[in-house]
Amino acid sequence: DGGITQSPKYLFRKEGQNVTLSCEQNLNHDAMYWYRQDPGQGLRLIYYSQIVNDFQKGDIAEGYSVSREKKESFPLTVTSAQKNPTAFYLCASSTEGGHSNTGELFFGEGSRLTVL
Amino acid sequence: GNSVTQMEGPVTLSEEAFLTINCTYTATGYPSLFWYVQYPGEGLQLLLKATKADDKGSNKGFEATYRKETTSFHLEKGSVQVSDSAVYFCALSGNQFYFGTGTSLTVIP
Repeated sequence: DGGITQSPKYLFRKEGQNVTLSCEQNLNHDAMYWYRQDPGQGLRLIYYSQIVNDFQKGDIAEGYSVSREKKESFPLTVTSAQKNPTAFYLCASSTEGGHSNTGELFFGEGSRLTVL
Repeated sequence: GNSVTQMEGPVTLSEEAFLTINCTYTATGYPSLFWYVQYPGEGLQLLLKATKADDKGSNKGFEATYRKETTSFHLEKGSVQVSDSAVYFCALSGNQFYFGTGTSLTVIP
């Protein structure tokens, strides 16, 4: 079945360590997104990519980095510069990005990162 | 700019009660509007959508109508079930997606 796979589902990190969250999709979607979810704050956009080898910062990119070397993969690295990284991270993809207004988002199951 | 304002929760209802979750938006142009649902520990799933004014999206007994004159997209269900307990997000798509803060719904037997 087509979908988005995020791994790991749960991750624990010590302060000062970088961690990378994986996101893979087999939907053949051009656009991919990373969101952060905190209780009571809804979803906040970290980074997005509309095409391979290109990505843009979202609203809260500081302390995060991404790459888009393959169409199906969009890993997110949470660096030690991110001051409050404990959160639920959601990856999503869509058929259209940029200025399209009709595409819907498809989400992965999420990765919960806890900093000890 | 674009934004979504969603009714704050949490909302607690008895089984078979009527549900309304309010959503209003601010947007340039003609965005599509969405309702997503999130069950505990999971990602978001699309519940329904509407792509133009006066469209009604519907799924699993839920409905929402795209009202351009009131810039609203309220979610309704005539008779909720315990299995509807989840967090509901209103969203719009323009140059990117904009989400409301979510409304937690608990349905008690």
